[in-house]
Amino acid sequence: SAVISQKPSRDICQRGTSLTIQCQVDSQVTMMFWYRQQPGQSLTLIATANQGSEATYESGFVIDKFPISRPNLTFSTLTVSNMSPEDSSIYLCSVESSLSYEQYFGPGTRLTVT
Amino acid sequence: DQQVKQNSPSLSVQEGRISILNCDYTNSMFDYFLWYKKYPAEGPTFLISISSIKDKNEDGRFTVFLNKSAKHLSLHIVPSQPGDSAVYFCAAQGENNNDMRFGAGTRLTVKP
Repeated sequence: SAVISQKPSRDICQRGTSLTIQCQVDSQVTMMFWYRQQPGQSLTLIATANQGSEATYESGFVIDKFPISRPNLTFSTLTVSNMSPEDSSIYLCSVESSLSYEQYFGPGTRLTVT
Repeated sequence: DQQVKQNSPSLSVQEGRISILNCDYTNSMFDYFLWYKKYPAEGPTFLISISSIKDKNEDGRFTVFLNKSAKHLSLHIVPSQPGDSAVYFCAAQGENNNDMRFGAGTRLTVKP
């Protein structure tokens, strides 16, 4: 298994500002994923971040709004840019086991935009 | 589009009885299915999975059943325990890792 930490655990931000969420894994992983869970909705994949290459974004998500960095095999950041109240959500990073399909999730970052 | 659906947002069960959580999917290209459990203020944790080549996978008190023709899977917990109270997410994955899709979750409450 992998142990994943996220910072911050929660934040309240004003409209129009940006927040960068950090994700740290205790082991080297190739693929890291960023998800969003809005109230009452399912977990939604935002993008996949591979070390050394640009992130791959899912439909409906763009790099200008959610820039991602992946400087090494244990760390990634997701920035939520020019925030609006609709961005209020829990953001989770996750990694996939190298041996199976199992995914391990961080504790999440609860973002509230006012 | 919601390719994975959990139509019951909540379920309440008496301790010791069976809990059955259901999940439906629409994409026939999904070939691997997983269940995750999530406690408040924690990230989801992997619970059990099943490949599309099987129709049943059992792990202790947890059994997942897959009906490919109906595009339906279910998670059975027997016997249910109060510690099982959590939100359960169903997930489906295709050959491409980017195709993983989650249901909205079902909140299970097991009453003592």
